[in-house]
This record gives sequence, structure tokens and C-alpha cells, in this order.
Amino acid sequence: AQSVTQPDIHITVSEGASLELRCNYSYGATPYLFWYVQSPGQGLQLLLKYFSGDTLVQGIKGFEAEFKRSQSSFNLRKPSVHWSDAAEYFCADRGNNNNDMRFGAGTRLTVKP
Amino acid sequence: DTGVSQNPRHKITKRGQNVTFRCDPISEHNRLYWYRQTLGQGPEFLTYFQNEAQLEKSRLLSDRFSAERPKGSFSTLEIQRTEQGDSAMYLCASSSGLAGVETQYFGPGTRLLVL
Repeated sequence: AQSVTQPDIHITVSEGASLELRCNYSYGATPYLFWYVQSPGQGLQLLLKYFSGDTLVQGIKGFEAEFKRSQSSFNLRKPSVHWSDAAEYFCADRGNNNNDMRFGAGTRLTVKP
Repeated sequence: DTGVSQNPRHKITKRGQNVTFRCDPISEHNRLYWYRQTLGQGPEFLTYFQNEAQLEKSRLLSDRFSAERPKGSFSTLEIQRTEQGDSAMYLCASSSGLAGVETQYFGPGTRLLVL
């Protein structure tokens, strides 16, 4: 069964600095991959998704992610972080039957002034 | 499009009591999902409806849990004889379109605390 792993539990970056959040997947075929953000007291919001085509995916709020099959990775990046980006970020893929999402444990992002 | 709504937002109950949560999906979304999220973890899939049919249930959904979507619109999740281990955030999501690549839209969740 496929799964996603987010190696970093917590990351702190300074406002204006670049950001990269790691996600690794384990799946033989091309996975369907997603990044969601969850702010305190809020539901999960989709940032971007990948299922085929261009391996560099653009999302909302200035985020992008790159699918790298050779590294089994789908890392999320942002060139310049804003204080409002502080939140929990989840990488996810679809289950075998496409009926459910399988989420990583999440990475909590703290943004320093 | 008013988004996915969930009620109540918070629920505190005593062990052994029954609780019921409601989810109102985005109108005309035919798929509805329930997830559970415990502290420090990502959401875990519980069950899935296509219209009124419950098509998949996770092993996490013990026999104390039951979900319904009687008219293919709103859904309820009931937990009977609650246990302290049931304390979690219960999230609902809805979607439509091509299965697998469609976007699931999440509600704000219902946070359950079992004392």
C-alpha cells in the first residue's frame, strides 16, 4: 500500500526566506499527490495537486511543488514566506481505489519576524 | 458555494455516551468523506459515500461508529458508547468530478473530547 512520509515535524523560517517542505511517497505507479494547508481552527485547504503532465506544479498563495519520480518526492516550495503562511502542511496521495486520501503526519511551519 | 459545514464545532461528552455529528457538503457534490484527525497526525480516512451509498469503510470504523447519508445530501456520523480514545477532530469533505484527481473540499471539523 502506498503512503506518504513527511520527514520534518516542525520547521522554522524567517519571514521573507525561502521554504521547502519535504514529502516522500511510496507507490509503484504514478501517484496522485496533493498538498493541503491547515490553519488553527480551519479546515484543510488544497494548495496544489499533481497527477500527470508537467512535473512542476503551481498552486495558490505562491506555492509550487515538483514531482521527482527518481527520488519519490513531491516537495513543496515557496520563494518568500509570509507570516500568514504559518500553519500545518500536509502531503497526501490517493488510496488504491481512489476513494480516500492518505495523509502524511504533517509539518508545522513557524515563521519568525 | 458556501463550503462544507460541520456541526457542532465542538463536543464534550462523558465516556459511554452517544454522540452524533452532522456534515453538510457543498451542494451537488456527490461524494462525501469522513476522516479522523488526532493530535499531531494527519487525517485518517474513515468512510466514503457516493450519493447515498456508503461504498467504503476503513478498519478504523469500529462497530460503534455508523455513518449515513440518507438522501445523498447531508451526512451524519454517530459514535456509540464513546471511549476516551475517540477524542479527535472529525473532518468531513466533499467532492465531485473524476475520481482520484478531483479536489476534496474539507469542512472545519468537529472536535470531540471524551472525558
